[in-house]
Amino acid sequence: QMQLQESGPGLVKPSETLSLTCTVSGGSISSSSYYWAWIRQPPGKGLEWIGTIYYSGSTYYNSSLKSRVTLSVDTSNNQFSLTLSSVTAADTAVYYCARLPLSRPLPYYFDYWGQGTLVTVSS
Amino acid sequence: QSALTQPASVSGSPGQSITISCTGTSSDVGGYNYVSWYQQHPGKAPKLMIYDVSNRPSGVSNRFSGSKSGSTASLTISGLQAEDEGDYYCSSFTSGSTFVVFGGGTKLTVL
Repeated sequence: QMQLQESGPGLVKPSETLSLTCTVSGGSISSSSYYWAWIRQPPGKGLEWIGTIYYSGSTYYNSSLKSRVTLSVDTSNNQFSLTLSSVTAADTAVYYCARLPLSRPLPYYFDYWGQGTLVTVSS
Repeated sequence: QSALTQPASVSGSPGQSITISCTGTSSDVGGYNYVSWYQQHPGKAPKLMIYDVSNRPSGVSNRFSGSKSGSTASLTISGLQAEDEGDYYCSSFTSGSTFVVFGGGTKLTVL
């Protein structure tokens, strides 16, 4: 059974860098049939796509966050990661990792999600 | 402000049918048959209910159906049940720079 699990600090100081890792189990992150993504949800608000990565390292970012976001993949450990720099209180959110089935023109829907992890930006 | 527009709330009684709309533009909903819908219960991760406008993943009840007309997609839930209560989000592929856009979400209340 496919499972995704987010991990990382729950509290980050303003202006610092947020770093999260998603560990995939029940399947290989190197499968050619899937992409992997991060989505976030501020408390009481809607969903926002952050970015998507393929096992080869190809990435797609939300233009509103592109200057601060980096996604990376570690196929040996079946993990992918998110870094978000220069965080502010507006980056406080539940961060989800998810899987996207391959589709054209680009993968866009998320069929498996992690449980989510709350990251609070505060001094 | 979300890229896709959904009603803030809808409600219905058990056994009834409800429809949630999701309005976009020709750059997203209107331009592609790449619309998905997610159900989210409080404190839980979203769950995929519909993809490619009207396809149901394995395990999703056939009480859930999707459709699209022009730049508006719709999710219909028939035979409403108490367990259907929660938040529903639409999403679409977009030719804009964000690739994926979500609606603001609709809170479904089962009376």
